[in-house]
Amino acid sequence: DAGITQSPRYKITETGRQVTLMCHQTWSHSYMFWYRQDLGHGLRLIYYSAAADITDKGEVPDGYVVSRSKTENFPLTLESATRSQTSVYFCASSESTGGIQYFGAGTRLSVL
Amino acid sequence: GQNIDQPTEMTATEGAIVQINCTYQTSGFNGLFWYQQHAGEAPTFLSYNVLDGLEEKGRFSSFLSRSKGYSYLLLKELQMKDSASYLCAVVNYQLIWGAGTKLIIKP
Repeated sequence: DAGITQSPRYKITETGRQVTLMCHQTWSHSYMFWYRQDLGHGLRLIYYSAAADITDKGEVPDGYVVSRSKTENFPLTLESATRSQTSVYFCASSESTGGIQYFGAGTRLSVL
Repeated sequence: GQNIDQPTEMTATEGAIVQINCTYQTSGFNGLFWYQQHAGEAPTFLSYNVLDGLEEKGRFSSFLSRSKGYSYLLLKELQMKDSASYLCAVVNYQLIWGAGTKLIIKP
């Protein structure tokens, strides 16, 4: 299917566990982004990537790790999940850093 | 610092017109986006303004005044399906997002 897909859609985990959220896009967009969305806050940028093997921190990177070995994939790993990381996570892609961003359906993560 | 302000919530009546405001103070500016986000869904692109003035797209219009650091989204002939959050985002290399305005449409 064309577009941008995230998996899983829902995830429940326990504090201290490692969790990986997947993101896959079929447009060959150069830029990919990970955001978290919490009530009362706007979308907050965690990490972004300008191309394969190029990643950079966003506003709230602590506790997260990303990689981008292929243009189409941009996984986000929580190395040791904490309750404060309970959130909705959105992946997005774009042709340019300031261009229209297209979002995946999101992953709702609960850390117990 | 970077700051984007939008009203938290607005209520309007089906068939009416509503204006959602966005004011911003950012260190740089390369355009402004409006996105729509239905509850439990992903944000979707509505409009983009980079020059001053009004951009019209069907029932939706977006206005920008760069000198005032101000934009608004105008929704006409409101329909129940317009109940959603509307997100304003300023381009300053990356997108800087407002917290969004929840629009409630009443019959």
